[in-house]
Amino acid sequence: DIQMTQSPSTLSASVGDRVTISCRASQDISNWLAWYQQKPGKAPKLLIYRASSLESGVPSRFSGSGSGTEFTLTISSLQPDDFATYYCQQNDNYPLTFGGGTKVEIK
Amino acid sequence: QVQLVESGGGVVQPGRSLRLSCAASGFAFNSFAMHWVRQAPGKGLEWVAGLSYDGSNEYHGDSVKGRFTISRDNSKNTLYLQMNSLRVEDTAVYYCARGSRETDYWGQGTLVTVAP
Repeated sequence: DIQMTQSPSTLSASVGDRVTISCRASQDISNWLAWYQQKPGKAPKLLIYRASSLESGVPSRFSGSGSGTEFTLTISSLQPDDFATYYCQQNDNYPLTFGGGTKVEIK
Repeated sequence: QVQLVESGGGVVQPGRSLRLSCAASGFAFNSFAMHWVRQAPGKGLEWVAGLSYDGSNEYHGDSVKGRFTISRDNSKNTLYLQMNSLRVEDTAVYYCARGSRETDYWGQGTLVTVAP
C-alpha cells in the first residue's frame, strides 16, 4: 500500500499569512494526488485534483504543486473561512490512501 | 444539483451486520465510480471501498476485506455497503463519495457505532 505522510500535523497561522502544507508519498504516484478541506462535523470538500488542478468554485488563493513523491498545498493569503483540516489523498493505486491531516488553527 | 444521502447507520453489537445505503440524485449515477470513506471519532479519513460505474470492478481496504462488500443498483441510483462481523474499531461516520479517482461530491455521512 502507498503511505501518505503529511506535515505539519498542526499549523498555527494568522489571517493573511501564506500557508504551505506538505505531503509525501511512499512511492511515485505521478500527479495522482488530491487535496481536501474538512471542517468539523462536515464532509470533506475537494480543493485540488491531479496535484495542481483547481476544483471548480474553489478560490484561487488555493494552489497545489508537485509530482512523483513530493507535493504541496499552498494558501496564498489565509482567510477566516480557511481554518480547517486538510488531507492529501493518492488515487494512483488501490487501496486509495489519505495523509494523516493538517489542522490549520488560528494563531 | 448533485446529492448523496447516506442511511442505515446506528448502534450495533460486535459481530453483527449492518447495511448502509447511499441514494444518489442530480447526476447520471450509472456513469460514475463510487466510494465509501469512513472517519472514526476524532481521527482522519480512511478509504473503505470503491466500485466502478457498472459494478464490474470492486476494491476494498485491507481493514475491511472479507467482511465488507460494496455494491450498487444502478436502476435505483443507490450504492450499498454490506458490513458483516462488525468490530468496535469499525465505529465511524461513513461517507459515500462520487468519482473515479478524486471524489468531487460527498454525502453528509451516517454514524455507525459498534459497542457491546
